[in-house]
Amino acid sequence: GEDVEQSLFLSVREGDSSVINCTYTDSSSTYLYWYKQEPGAGLQLLTYIFSNMDMKQDQRLTVLLNKKDKHLSLRIADTQTGDSAIYFCAESKDRGSTLGRLYFGRGTQLTVWP
Amino acid sequence: DAGVIQSPRHEVTEMGQEVTLRCKPISGHDYLFWYRQTMMRGLELLIYFNNNVPIDDSGMPEDRFSAKMPNASFSTLKIQPSEPRDSAVYFCASRARSSGANVLTFGAGSRLTVL
Repeated sequence: GEDVEQSLFLSVREGDSSVINCTYTDSSSTYLYWYKQEPGAGLQLLTYIFSNMDMKQDQRLTVLLNKKDKHLSLRIADTQTGDSAIYFCAESKDRGSTLGRLYFGRGTQLTVWP
Repeated sequence: DAGVIQSPRHEVTEMGQEVTLRCKPISGHDYLFWYRQTMMRGLELLIYFNNNVPIDDSGMPEDRFSAKMPNASFSTLKIQPSEPRDSAVYFCASRARSSGANVLTFGAGSRLTVL
């Protein structure tokens, strides 16, 4: 199937690290993504990782992929109040009838306390 | 580029009325997606197009919903007649042909309230 699951809420203190977790069921996923949605706005791509990689780092963001466990995480270092948003995990399988389609999780609401 | 443009940003209507949501994708993008977001169901894919042709409309909830893409620069999502349970934020997104990863660019959304 195409289930993508993530916890709904996470609260952290400003300056701490945040870790948002996601699990997916389909081992044939080709890419995995993290999108961010700020209040009143559309989703914005944060980063993505190809399925043959296990880590990707981009400034304060670190993505870890464990293909064996089908687990994806997003770590935000030195979390700021501006990072408060909903974070969506997503996967794609670029083949056949699913070509071009993304499967999203429910989103994790990250709240950063000053 | 102005990004994916959706209109209207907000619409309040009465049950039974026809609603038309519009989307202008990024020029050169060959995929266009319509999503619906609610607190109860999260983000749901309604329909998507490739080169203006509908590929998968299995997410369209009922016959009251229809979507068209008459050309590469315009798409509409129509609800007729609208019902209170259609209240949601509707997002349009588009994707570039050349990108290996499935990188979607989303519009700001159209918030629909059906009274």
